[in-house]
Amino acid sequence: AQKITQTQPGMFVQEKEAVTLDCTYDTSDQSYGLFWYKQPSSGEMIFLIYQGSYDEQNATEGRYSLNFQKARKSANLVISASQLGDSAMYFCAMREAYSNSGYALNFGKGTSLLVTP
Amino acid sequence: GAGVSQSPSNKVTEKGKDVELRCDPISGHTALYWYRQSLGQGLEFLIYFQGNSAPDKSGLPSDRFSAERTGGSVSTLTIQRTQQEDSAVYLCASSYTQGGGQETQYFGPGTRLLVL
Repeated sequence: AQKITQTQPGMFVQEKEAVTLDCTYDTSDQSYGLFWYKQPSSGEMIFLIYQGSYDEQNATEGRYSLNFQKARKSANLVISASQLGDSAMYFCAMREAYSNSGYALNFGKGTSLLVTP
Repeated sequence: GAGVSQSPSNKVTEKGKDVELRCDPISGHTALYWYRQSLGQGLEFLIYFQGNSAPDKSGLPSDRFSAERTGGSVSTLTIQRTQQEDSAVYLCASSYTQGGGQETQYFGPGTRLLVL
């Protein structure tokens, strides 16, 4: 069953503007973690930000912030002051309780972001 | 410090041949993960190692796939009798296994496998 949903296949944003990438998730666990990764055209998956289910404050890392709404099961990524180098695929991922798969991640289908001058 | 490294970066092989993909995790990371990324299937989890052991191999797509890890470090993913549907990018990641954000996975650059 699809556990991570990213409804925006593609997004455009103008340089220096802010953009929100949507992510909703489904889990019955009380303890879980949410991650965002960036994948530029080079292919490497770059970790951006983490939000734990028990964290009361929204995570922030530089220009990245995570708008975490637990009751709505959403974990949207906000990128402020977009730069041309932000053009990439962005993946939302969730890890659930530790199991025989460790903390294996379930990934969404991704959102392709294009930053225009 | 050094990140996760993978080799080869690209591999082209003929259908029916065996291939070996290598992953060298971040030093000190006890957990190692293999994922596959393909156009049709997105990112799929394949297998997880804690130390040298893989508790669950059910994520491997078929019995042609096997993986091992030695010395709690380097891992190899082997695909026997490759098929065209095996063409994908194979990503390796490593992490601690402590939860609470400590389990953040850091990915290597991937191996792009093309089976002709």
